Amino acid sequence: AQKVTQAQTEISVVEKEDVTLDCVYETRDTTYYLFWYKQPPSGELVFLIRRNSFDEQNEISGRYSWNFQKSTSSFNFTITASQVVDSAVYFCALSERYNTNAGKSTFGDGTTLTVKP
Amino acid sequence: DVKVTQSSRYLVKRTGEKVFLECVQDMDHENMFWYRQDPGLGLRLIYFSYDVKMKEKGDIPEGYSVSREKKERFSLILESASTNQTSMYLCASSRGQGAIEAFFGQGTRLTVV
Repeated sequence: AQKVTQAQTEISVVEKEDVTLDCVYETRDTTYYLFWYKQPPSGELVFLIRRNSFDEQNEISGRYSWNFQKSTSSFNFTITASQVVDSAVYFCALSERYNTNAGKSTFGDGTTLTVKP
Repeated sequence: DVKVTQSSRYLVKRTGEKVFLECVQDMDHENMFWYRQDPGLGLRLIYFSYDVKMKEKGDIPEGYSVSREKKERFSLILESASTNQTSMYLCASSRGQGAIEAFFGQGTRLTVV
């Protein structure tokens, strides 16, 4: 069985601070996919990134960066110079080898990030 | 602009009622999904569909059924609503095998009284 753990239930930071959201996963598959989604107050989840298990390169997109480490089964997400608009619930998710259909994933419980001005 | 639209943002229903939650996507996606979201439990998959008239159970299908008569529409049915089905329901769609991302609707907050 696969599992995703987001140990941080809530995080509060002040604008311009850097913040890292942790994600630890469990799976028996050697091929799998990891995702991050953002859920702003409007409700709909917004896709941020997908990473497959063979690609351990870290990725940077603007103020967002992701650190994938298979050795520790972690896929952490860092926001640099946080802004109030980053306030949202963030979900980490995992899809197993035989399911490459994005959408059928095991989700973590989510981390609520509040960025204060 | 790609879109997944859920018919209601908020619903209040009585225990025992039959409830229909509707989801429509305009992207010609093959895959559609229904999740429920509860505090501290994240998102849990109820049912999904890879094609018209096709459905498969997710992790928590008990008390629910689905219908997909047309490619763009995926309905979640609560045959006899109960208070423990009070939750946020999220619909999602994705293109097909190997799709990189899923697109979600804005959610329906259902309260069963």
